[in-house]
Amino acid sequence: DAKTTQPNSMESNEEEPVHLPCNHSTISGTDYIHWYRQLPSQGPEYVIHGLTSNVNNRMASLAIAEDRKSSTLILHRATLRDAAVYYCILRDVTRNSGGSNYKLTFGKGTLLTVNP
Amino acid sequence: GAGVSQTPSNKVTEKGKYVELRCDPISGHTALYWYRQSLGQGPEFLIYFQGTGAADDSGLPNDRFFAVRPEGSVSTLKIQRTERGDSAVYLCASSSGTGELFFGEGSRLTVL
Repeated sequence: DAKTTQPNSMESNEEEPVHLPCNHSTISGTDYIHWYRQLPSQGPEYVIHGLTSNVNNRMASLAIAEDRKSSTLILHRATLRDAAVYYCILRDVTRNSGGSNYKLTFGKGTLLTVNP
Repeated sequence: GAGVSQTPSNKVTEKGKYVELRCDPISGHTALYWYRQSLGQGPEFLIYFQGTGAADDSGLPNDRFFAVRPEGSVSTLKIQRTERGDSAVYLCASSSGTGELFFGEGSRLTVL
């Protein structure tokens, strides 16, 4: 999978928006952009994913640059429960007989701290 | 339960011992993944099952690591002759084929 670059850490204040950047300059045309987050002492949790168009769901929004070389995860109103490590991952589905391998390659992610 | 279940949640063993870690995926999920996470690092892929077969085991670090999924549901990760460097959190995830992976809370392995 192509690599991504994220800041090691970011800070936010409670109830303010948070913009988490991700650079992926070597993205290929078939790579989807996925975001997962990992709260302390838990397994990673799916947040959102997209290909070309911006995406919204109940957790967050994903803004994808027109050239797809970068993207931004937007938390509209950060809460203390949003404090976590956020991973931006590019995934190209490898299809094999009987199913598709949605293997994720994680980097170190961005540690988000939310101040009360 | 509704989510991915992993047991034990914590395992302490001595160097050289054999360890088994169990994963119970979400019912009906055909795809199952094992990952390993060391302190301060992101999860590292180990192996992927589609049904009963290991479709991708490229992440297993050496032949001391082995995983099975005999009936296409529960999976067991087996580590022989454990070493201190095997200490980590072992994560299991399952997927129904939609592309979203659902992770368990992990099994923390400590090798003394």
